[in-house]
Amino acid sequence: AAGVIQSPRHLIKEKRETATLKCYPIPRHDTVYWYQQGPGQDPQFLISFYEKMQSDKGSIPDRFSAQQFSDYHSELNMSSLELGDSALYFCASSLNVDGYTFGSGTRLTVV
Amino acid sequence: DAKTTQPNSMESNEEEPVHLPCNHSTISGTDYIHWYRQLPSQGPEYVIHGLTSNVNNRMASLAIAEDRKSSTLILHRATLRDAAVYYCILRDVRDDKIIFGKGTRLHILP
Repeated sequence: AAGVIQSPRHLIKEKRETATLKCYPIPRHDTVYWYQQGPGQDPQFLISFYEKMQSDKGSIPDRFSAQQFSDYHSELNMSSLELGDSALYFCASSLNVDGYTFGSGTRLTVV
Repeated sequence: DAKTTQPNSMESNEEEPVHLPCNHSTISGTDYIHWYRQLPSQGPEYVIHGLTSNVNNRMASLAIAEDRKSSTLILHRATLRDAAVYYCILRDVRDDKIIFGKGTRLHILP
């Protein structure tokens, strides 16, 4: 079965650079979520989209933005990167109140 | 957000059943009880969810107390591959997002 696809798997950026993470949800899933997981931390909710509209917002810094496109894939744009942005970034998708399916994540390292 | 309380860690022997407890005394009538797990170096994985009645699937069973203030995730026969952090999460039916708490780190002893 198709899963949630995230790219790239690994990304190394320098401070103050920008990064774009991509997420391709499971076909027919109508909601996409982004989570950030720092080293030794639990996943933190960033933002979600339902039918291409932002549906909820969590602890997402103003330097980050996200959108969902007409083909339902989503991108998380991160600017003015800081060392503290180094983390695993997970995307998940779901259909109504069933469980989420998470991708394998993108490991972002800011140096 | 309604909160859950779980033990920080638990140990179990391989091939034995594991009962992972979760307290959620402030649960509301519209909260579903969800369980996820996260294996090392992987994304979280959905395990099971329920509202009032006990639930079974191929991965686990979920036993929900009659007053819904607690629940137990049951792994019927633990394997080394079940070693993970298990998260008990309340998800309001009116709210899309799930919020991860601290979870229980389950160690499986060979």
